[in-house]
Amino acid sequence: TQLLEQSPQFLSIQEGENLTVYCNSSSVFSSLQWYRQEPGEGPVLLVTVVTGGEVKKLKRLTFQFGDARKDSSLHITAAQTGDTGLYLCAGAGGATNKLIFGTGTLLAVQP
Amino acid sequence: EAGVVQSPRYKIIEKKQPVAFWCNPISGHNTLYWYRQNLGQGPELLIRYENEEAVDDSQLPKDRFSAERLKGVDSTLKIQPAELGDSAVYLCASSSDSPLHFGNGTRLTVT
Repeated sequence: TQLLEQSPQFLSIQEGENLTVYCNSSSVFSSLQWYRQEPGEGPVLLVTVVTGGEVKKLKRLTFQFGDARKDSSLHITAAQTGDTGLYLCAGAGGATNKLIFGTGTLLAVQP
Repeated sequence: EAGVVQSPRYKIIEKKQPVAFWCNPISGHNTLYWYRQNLGQGPELLIRYENEEAVDDSQLPKDRFSAERLKGVDSTLKIQPAELGDSAVYLCASSSDSPLHFGNGTRLTVT
């Protein structure tokens, strides 16, 4: 069974601070996605990474896929209150390319 | 394009009662997913459809859960009878390839 562990589980920071969320597994994934979910809504895709070592930037968000394609990180620079939400990684792999979601990181950015 | 539509948004029922959730995917999306999400955690796949065929229902508790996707468009997920542990948000998602597009979910509370 493929498992994706995210850390930290909860994070509360002040506006303007930087943070990093980690997504780790013992399994290799063909691709990895990051989603953000706001209360009362479904997850929304932020980015997909497919190549080991790949780095993608989306404004203040930087996503990295590990060289071995087993882990990923999300770094947010100068967090804003609008970044508040549940961040989910999701890895695709195996014979059916099934998408497995991580355990989630709940981020609260205080003004 | 119109997003994935789910109804109802909220449902409160007593244990042992039946309940049904409805999902209308994005037009043209052949793949439809039902996920269950507990508070602050990642979604867990219940069932995946390719058109009208259930291609992955390995995580669906078949003693009380059932799903159908007649004509390969709309889908319903049913629980009968509901248990206290079924309280969660039930998310529907659709895709034509990747990524997944989620609805806003149905929050089920079983009392």
